[in-house]
Amino acid sequence: QQPVQSPQAVILREGEDAVINCSSSKALYSVHWYRQKHGEAPVFLMILLKGGEQKGHDKISASFNEKKQQSSLYLTASQLSYSGTYFCGTEITSWAGGTSYGKLTFGQGTILTVHP
Amino acid sequence: GAGVSQSPSNKVTEKGKDVELRCDPISGHTALYWYRQRLGQGLEFLIYFQGNSAPDKSGLPSDRFSAERTGESVSTLTIQRTQQEDSAVYLCASSLADWGLNSPLHFGNGTRLTVT
Repeated sequence: QQPVQSPQAVILREGEDAVINCSSSKALYSVHWYRQKHGEAPVFLMILLKGGEQKGHDKISASFNEKKQQSSLYLTASQLSYSGTYFCGTEITSWAGGTSYGKLTFGQGTILTVHP
Repeated sequence: GAGVSQSPSNKVTEKGKDVELRCDPISGHTALYWYRQRLGQGLEFLIYFQGNSAPDKSGLPSDRFSAERTGESVSTLTIQRTQQEDSAVYLCASSLADWGLNSPLHFGNGTRLTVT
């Protein structure tokens, strides 16, 4: 039930763009994105709820395709501060149409490194 | 306001000893989660508390692990007869969500457990 993230690692120069993907084998109810810097706690970026909405946060945005059971995180014009490990967390929809409420399962993370 | 507080921040214990980790969630947050993060790995779901509902214990790796929560406040994660593979950072998170995951998780800084 753990979502799969790709790529595992990305190296960028400041100003370049990146896309991080998150896919699930189960139908999704919501997708969360978090960023964790080394030695720190994960920090919330955004939530996408069932409905295919796209959200933005400064130059970081995300989309959620519930049909494909996928979400993508877009980082544009990357800054040094974007460096860290990005995690997607997924809440699945059970086969009966209900929701496995509260059980947010995280992917293995994508390590993003931005160089000057 | 105050964030999620975890104690101790570091714990070194001998194999076979019991340890107790504490989490103080943000006041008013009804949902509380425990995750385990091994070095360089993702966030592994352990247990979830929501209000007065029965906790979702499906992520606890063995019967050596248990957790309690007093009402909607402090939670303790207990690991009995610790093993070296229990070494990890244990993260606690809380959320305002009444039901479903439409609110962000706020993480504590974690307890780094080392079993020697």
